[in-house]
Amino acid sequence: EPEVTQTPSHQVTQMGQEVILRCVPISNHLYFYWYRQILGQKVEFLVSFYNNEISEKSEIFDDQFSVERPDGSNFTLKIRSTKLEDSAMYFCASQVGREQFFGPGTRLTVL
Amino acid sequence: EDKVVQSPLSLVVHEGDTVTLNCSYEVTNFRSLLWYKQEKKAPTFLFMLTSSGIEKKSGRLSSILDKKELFSILNITATQTGDSAVYLCAVGGGDYKLSFGAGTTVTVRA
Repeated sequence: EPEVTQTPSHQVTQMGQEVILRCVPISNHLYFYWYRQILGQKVEFLVSFYNNEISEKSEIFDDQFSVERPDGSNFTLKIRSTKLEDSAMYFCASQVGREQFFGPGTRLTVL
Repeated sequence: EDKVVQSPLSLVVHEGDTVTLNCSYEVTNFRSLLWYKQEKKAPTFLFMLTSSGIEKKSGRLSSILDKKELFSILNITATQTGDSAVYLCAVGGGDYKLSFGAGTTVTVRA
């Protein structure tokens, strides 16, 4: 069964460094999303992406964040200068119809 | 701002018990309500509900939506230890982004 994949599963970085989180959505899906979940808190929407552009973003998704779909299959989330409070599990999701399917997540730890 | 409230926050049951989880919501331009099961990592899709009064079933799990009263319930019958997880309710609004509740932690004891 097709599934969303994410790499790496765990990323440790120093504060101020740039990180790129990668996702491969399910191939025939058209809508893509990033969510994050800080430990012990609820899942929060970051950004949605459709037709090669951002369709919506939350207030969390500030200028430090960017997304792109560089090659028609990968979908990436870049954090330009990480902060301690960016430490969280980041989930990619892709959608067909109204059902969103989540990847296994990348745990980002900022030291 | 969209709001999704789940109750209870947590519960502990014994194998064989039935559990009922609640989700109430306030959202602009409601499109769908989704239930997910989260064990260690990613939320795993369980159900999507869009119409009132139509029960969705999958094995021992079932769910129903009431769009007039703005809530949904998820039932798990004959619980097993493998049902122990956090159950997440999420609501899709006019833009398809999901707004999540805080989740209900279910612990099933043998």
